[in-house]
Amino acid sequence: AQSVSQHNHHVILSEAASLELGCNYSYGGTVNLFWYVQYPGQHLQLLLKYFSGDPLVKGIKGFEAEFIKSKFSFNLRKPSVQWSDTAEYFCAVMGPGSGTYKYIFGTGTRLKVLA
Amino acid sequence: GAGVSQTPSNKVTEKGKYVELRCDPISGHTALYWYRQSLGQGPEFLIYFQGTGAADDSGLPNDRFFAVRPEGSVSTLKIQRTERGDSAVYLCASSLVGTYGYTFGSGTRLTVV
Repeated sequence: AQSVSQHNHHVILSEAASLELGCNYSYGGTVNLFWYVQYPGQHLQLLLKYFSGDPLVKGIKGFEAEFIKSKFSFNLRKPSVQWSDTAEYFCAVMGPGSGTYKYIFGTGTRLKVLA
Repeated sequence: GAGVSQTPSNKVTEKGKYVELRCDPISGHTALYWYRQSLGQGPEFLIYFQGTGAADDSGLPNDRFFAVRPEGSVSTLKIQRTERGDSAVYLCASSLVGTYGYTFGSGTRLTVV
């Protein structure tokens, strides 16, 4: 079965620091990869997605993620975080092993940005 | 509506009781999904509707859980004989069939005491 690992459960950064959140998945075939964000008190929102093509994907709010097939990774990055980036971030996979409509989510990373 | 609406936002119930959780998807979205998010975990798939029928209910944990979508719009997740382990946030999402990236609702936080 597919699985998604997010190794950082809690991250605390100061404003303007750089961010990298790790995500590894288990499936070796073709997958679609996603990052979702959940701001305090709000619903899950799509941050960015990768289907194919350029492995460096740019999303909203200055976030980007890099797909490295050889490492089964899809890490999320942001060069300079802001206080408003405080949220929980979820990596997710969707692919043939998960029915092409069904997400498999990681356990999430809680990011706290100190002003 | 503009987004996916879930009611109630919070539900506290006693162990053994029956509960219904409602989801109102975005108008025109034929695909509807239920997920469950337990404390400290990511959302876990429960069931997927395409129109009125459940296309995949493989994530329902046991036969106490059931979901319907009789007219292809609003869906109700029903839990019988609730247990403390059912306490979680139940998320609903909808999408157009064949598109990736759902719109999630804000969830119903169910607490079984």
